[in-house]
Amino acid sequence: GESVGLHLPTLSVQEGDNSIINCAYSNSASDYFIWYKQESGKGPQFIIDIRSNMDKRQGQRVTVLLNKTVKHLSLQIAATQPGDSAVYFCAENTGGSRLTFGEGTQLTVNP
Amino acid sequence: GAVVSQHPSRVICKSGTSVKIECRSLDFQATTMFWYRQFPKQSLMLMATSNEGSKATYEQGVEKDKFLINHASLTLSTLTVTSAHPEDSSFYICSAGGRGGREQFFGPGTRLTVL
Repeated sequence: GESVGLHLPTLSVQEGDNSIINCAYSNSASDYFIWYKQESGKGPQFIIDIRSNMDKRQGQRVTVLLNKTVKHLSLQIAATQPGDSAVYFCAENTGGSRLTFGEGTQLTVNP
Repeated sequence: GAVVSQHPSRVICKSGTSVKIECRSLDFQATTMFWYRQFPKQSLMLMATSNEGSKATYEQGVEKDKFLINHASLTLSTLTVTSAHPEDSSFYICSAGGRGGREQFFGPGTRLTVL
């Protein structure tokens, strides 16, 4: 079913530190995962994706790790910057293009 | 590439009026478009999936007569909130898929406030 949260988990980091945002997904049949960044008042922005035949994928300053055994996904942001402050959502896909979103994590980067 | 626009970005209306929100894929043909609703500090909740030229598929609990969706072309989908009430106030976001991959490309969202 759809994920509905009453409040967002928060993560506060210092500028320059690395950030790790975690996500637990629910459907063991999901085989494609995406991380999105959403700034206040804006739509979600694609960050990075990963297919279930991979454990790790790297982008520019970001790395996504997938652990299918425990149905866990993480997003690592290196050298976090103030512009990284946003809400981060993981989304899972089981085929077609329908996505189910996680509850989101509010990342705050302190200068 | 993969730009999706929404119009209007913000709308304030009186209770009982209907509001139409447009979602356009600007640089690709979107065979499938999605409409989401998002309350403050919550995740995106899928309302419906629309395929060009066919009726939309609504998620459980979403009233299809209240949230009318039309996907008339491969670049345009509209969501009409009929007889809007204050509880319909929310952030409505569309996304477009069908560019060959499985990702969705999101619009900037529409903030609806019903007085």
